Amino acid sequence: EPEVTQTPSHQVTQMGQEVILRCVPISNHLYFYWYRQILGQKVEFLVSFYNNEISEKSEIFDDQFSVERPDGSNFTLKIRSTKLEDSAMYFCAGSHTRSGEETQYFGPGTRLLVL
Amino acid sequence: LAKTTQPISMDSYEGQEVNITCSHNNIATNDYITWYQQFPSQGPRFIIQGYKTKVTNEVASLFIPADRKSSTLSLPRVSLSDTAVYYCLVGQNFVFGPGTRLSVLP
Repeated sequence: EPEVTQTPSHQVTQMGQEVILRCVPISNHLYFYWYRQILGQKVEFLVSFYNNEISEKSEIFDDQFSVERPDGSNFTLKIRSTKLEDSAMYFCAGSHTRSGEETQYFGPGTRLLVL
Repeated sequence: LAKTTQPISMDSYEGQEVNITCSHNNIATNDYITWYQQFPSQGPRFIIQGYKTKVTNEVASLFIPADRKSSTLSLPRVSLSDTAVYYCLVGQNFVFGPGTRLSVLP
């Protein structure tokens, strides 16, 4: 069964540094998402991406965040200048459609720790 | 977007059937109901999806009454490995609530 993969599994960075989190979605998926989950809290939506454009984003997804799909397979989340409060698990997800039957398939996550 | 309400936590014992109910009073006509499972430090995992009546797969059953304002996830004969957080989402909904933290005890 195809799976969403994410790299790295863990990343430690200094406050103010840029990080890029990478995801390889399932090949026939067309819609892509990033979520984050701060330790002990709920899963929070960040952004959705379709046809090389952001389709929706949450209040969390401010100017420090950006996404792109540079080569048709990888889907990346960049945080330009990390803050302590960016420490969280970041999950990538994908789906084939945006219909009412949409089912998202999640990756294993990247644990980001900002010191 | 339809808002969902679930119990925050539930306890059960191995071998018992567990039913988790989700309320979604303002579900739209074309919304499907989807349940996800999340283990610690892992991404949410799709369990089951339905539109009306009953859906069953190898993992769970989903019961949806005629008015579709609620749904019940049924896990038959749970084991310790079913300890996880279970989320109910409705329609094209990116919003995960706090979910239901199920603890299965020996």
